[in-house]
Amino acid sequence: ETGVTQTPRHLVMGMTNKKSLKCEQHLGHNAMYWYKQSAKKPLELMFVYSLEERVENNSVPSRFSPECPNSSHLFLHLHTLQPEDSALYLCASSQGRTGGFSYEQYFGPGTRLTVT
Amino acid sequence: AQSVAQPEDQVNVAEGNPLTVKCTYSVSGNPYLFWYVQYPNRGLQFLLKYITGDNLVKGSYGFEAEFNKSQTSFHLKKPSALVSDSALYFCAVRDRGGSQGNLIFGKGTKLSVKP
Repeated sequence: ETGVTQTPRHLVMGMTNKKSLKCEQHLGHNAMYWYKQSAKKPLELMFVYSLEERVENNSVPSRFSPECPNSSHLFLHLHTLQPEDSALYLCASSQGRTGGFSYEQYFGPGTRLTVT
Repeated sequence: AQSVAQPEDQVNVAEGNPLTVKCTYSVSGNPYLFWYVQYPNRGLQFLLKYITGDNLVKGSYGFEAEFNKSQTSFHLKKPSALVSDSALYFCAVRDRGGSQGNLIFGKGTKLSVKP
């Protein structure tokens, strides 16, 4: 997928490590999202950025810290994670968020995170 | 509150037969409705959406979905299933009149198409 890319694709980290997930969109979109996908649970929206401003934080623990330096890049900084944080982390982007909710989101392939 | 229900965890279909993956929704106003597909080790891929107009929406890979306002449903259909259609399918809704604009996803339905 060249529209939305994510790196790394797989990550194993200990509970005391610090790591970052990277997302890049090549679609000219101005909204970006982080989702968490765990087995047998609906997709959980974590953070939303619109025009590089964080517009939503869905009660995510502070051990997850997002960063959006420009409209094409989104990071998720991880520190002192717990084993229950193991999941597939998906990044998405869309053409707009406010004033027009008909836009679909385009997803990256995800980062499979395992916390040991 | 907005919600989406996909009542079937898994749907099994023989190749060449028609398939239906069910979705019902609940929103306070009029909805925007979406279907996504997820293949193993991949992200979600957009299939189709209902915004307004014709209740029958056509999308990628021969899929279509029918919006039924009275039954608050948006079932995904395909006339003839392929083995390559085997994947996880997600229905999502957004409240047209809502202030948040976030997509609410169903739990997903695993479609298995056997030769």
